[in-house]
Amino acid sequence: SQTIHQWPATLVQPVGSPLSLECTVEGTSNPNLYWYRQAAGRGLQLLFYSVGIGQISSEVPQNLSASRPQDRQFILSSKKLLLSDSGFYLCAWSPQGQGISGANVLTFGAGSRLTVL
Amino acid sequence: AQSVSQHNHHVILSEAASLELGCNYSYGGTVNLFWYVQYPGQHLQLLLKYFSGDPLVKGIKGFEAEFIKSKFSFNLRKPSVQWSDTAEYFCAVSLRSNTGKLIFGQGTTLQVKP
Repeated sequence: SQTIHQWPATLVQPVGSPLSLECTVEGTSNPNLYWYRQAAGRGLQLLFYSVGIGQISSEVPQNLSASRPQDRQFILSSKKLLLSDSGFYLCAWSPQGQGISGANVLTFGAGSRLTVL
Repeated sequence: AQSVSQHNHHVILSEAASLELGCNYSYGGTVNLFWYVQYPGQHLQLLLKYFSGDPLVKGIKGFEAEFIKSKFSFNLRKPSVQWSDTAEYFCAVSLRSNTGKLIFGQGTTLQVKP
């Protein structure tokens, strides 16, 4: 069966420090991968998605970047964190090739809570 | 741009009350519709989904939702809520494309009083 792992689960970082959140998926190949940010009262905002290695689409301009160095690895990064980067970050995956038929269902990881001080 | 709007941000009900959470989306094309739920301390998980066919879909734990295309709505319902339904509920929409990306609403926090 497929599983999705995110780490670290919680992170407290000073303003201006770098960030790296990692997400890996097991038990599937060539998944679509997503990074969402969840903020209180604002729902889940799609930050990045990827349909393959090295293919990253950014949904909103921001201080963050994403990379997909391996098929089942998705990394969220920042060179210099801002206070506004605080939030709960969720990684998700969905099977490739089902989107056209309309069967895409996202499975979410446990999330990483980032506090920038 | 696509958007999803959930009308209620915080709902408080007593056990056995009926529930209806509103969800409207803005997009003129063919969409897939979802409700996700996040119980306290747990992962976000799929509650139910609509892709095509019968516009009344049933999900887990007695939940159902009705797709009304003319109203661009996908409201979530449950006839009788339980204390264990206390959670945050998210409506989401995706386009029929190979990216599968979901656009979420703001979420509704449901608190059920025993």
